[in-house]
Amino acid sequence: AQKVTQAQTEISVVEKEDVTLDCVYETRDTTYYLFWYKQPPSGELVFLIRRNSFDEQNEISGRYSWNFQKSTSSFNFTITASQVVDSAVYFCALPTSGNTPLVFGKGTRLSVIA
Amino acid sequence: ETGVTQSPTHLIKTRGQQVTLRCSSQSGHNTVSWYQQALGQGPQFIFQYYREEENGRGNFPPRFSGLQFPNYSSELNVNALELDDSALYLCASSSQRGTEAFFGQGTRLTVV
Repeated sequence: AQKVTQAQTEISVVEKEDVTLDCVYETRDTTYYLFWYKQPPSGELVFLIRRNSFDEQNEISGRYSWNFQKSTSSFNFTITASQVVDSAVYFCALPTSGNTPLVFGKGTRLSVIA
Repeated sequence: ETGVTQSPTHLIKTRGQQVTLRCSSQSGHNTVSWYQQALGQGPQFIFQYYREEENGRGNFPPRFSGLQFPNYSSELNVNALELDDSALYLCASSSQRGTEAFFGQGTRLTVV
């Protein structure tokens, strides 16, 4: 069965610091997708990235970057020069089959302090 | 292109009552999934509908039921509400070809 572990429950950083959110997953599938979502206080889950297991290249999008390591089953998320608006709960997720349903980790609550 | 919308945003019900939550999927999406998110937890999959048929179900009792309509909007019904049903209920829609699920803002249900 699919499993996602986000060991960090809460992280606090000072604005402009870099922060990395960890995600470790378990799957027996040979090909799969991995996702990161952001949940601000409003409650909506905001899609951040989808990564195919075939592609192990790191990805950068503005201040966000993702490090996918298939050998260690990890898909870590780094925010560079954090801002107060980055404060949210971040979830890593893995589909059970195809694109849904998603299995989520318990989330990491990030607080960025001005 | 409209996003996923859910109604109502907040709801308070008494134990034993029944509740219906609604979701309008994103334009062009024919698959709708429902998730329950308890406080401090990640979302848990309830069930999924594809072209008006249930297409997968998580570990939830039969008193959680749903519908999908021809326009792909969906309802989640919960009968005989229990205190532990208090949670944020999230609806997500996705396309047949796409792999991203887009979520609504959720309905926060409180059972007292």
